[in-house]
Amino acid sequence: QVQLVESGGGLVKPGGSLRLSCVASGFTFSDYFMTWIRQAPGKGLEWVSYISSGSSTINYADSVKGRFTVSRDNGKNSLYLEMNSLRAEDTATYYCARATRGLGLNWGQGTLVTVSS
Amino acid sequence: QTVVTQEPSFSVSPGGTVTLTCGLSSGSVSTSYFPSWYQQTPGQAPRTLIYNTNTRSSGVPDRFSGSILGNKAAHTITGAQTDDESDYYCVLYMVSGIWMFGGGTKLTVL
Repeated sequence: QVQLVESGGGLVKPGGSLRLSCVASGFTFSDYFMTWIRQAPGKGLEWVSYISSGSSTINYADSVKGRFTVSRDNGKNSLYLEMNSLRAEDTATYYCARATRGLGLNWGQGTLVTVSS
Repeated sequence: QTVVTQEPSFSVSPGGTVTLTCGLSSGSVSTSYFPSWYQQTPGQAPRTLIYNTNTRSSGVPDRFSGSILGNKAAHTITGAQTDDESDYYCVLYMVSGIWMFGGGTKLTVL
C-alpha cells in the first residue's frame, strides 16, 4: 500500500531555512504527481506546492512563492521541500501526498515545522 | 478569488444521517473537479474517505458516500456513530496540479 514518510521538521528562527523530505514506497513513485500540504495549529488544510512526475510542471501557493522550492529524486523515491525566509505564519504540520485527480490524495503522517525566535 | 465553501459545523444524533456539502464561492462543483473527502481527528493525518466524487477508499464503510447535489459536492454519513466525530475536509482539483481545500466541517455526534 501507499506509504509516505516525512522528515526534516523542527524549530527554526524567523528568516531561517529548513529542508523537508518525504520517502515514498508501495507504488511506482516516478509515475505520480506529488504535492505538499500544510496545516497550521488549530487551522484547516492549505495546499502548498505541486510537482509533476518528471518535474516538468511545478506550482506554488502564493503564500510561499519565491521562498519555497519543491523537487524530487525519482531514483530515490523522494520528494523535497526547501523552505527559505521562514516566517511565523509558516508554522504548521507539513504533509506530503501522492496527488492524482482521479484517486484523490494519499497522505503521509506529517512533520511539524515551528518558526519562532 | 474562488473559495471552497463548507459548513463550519454540523451536529447529528447517533444513528442519524447527515449530509455535508462542498461548494464554490463562484460557480458550481461538478465531477470535473474530482471532489474528494477526508476525515481528520486531532493529532492525526487526514484519512481518505471518498475520491472522484463517489468512490470509497479501501476499508471505508459503505455508510460513507459521496455525490453531487445540485451545484455542490456532498458527503453523506448514514447511521452516524460516536467515532465519526471528526473534522471533514472537501478537496477539489482545479487546474495544473492546484488543489483547493474547503475550510472543513466539524461534525459533532450527540
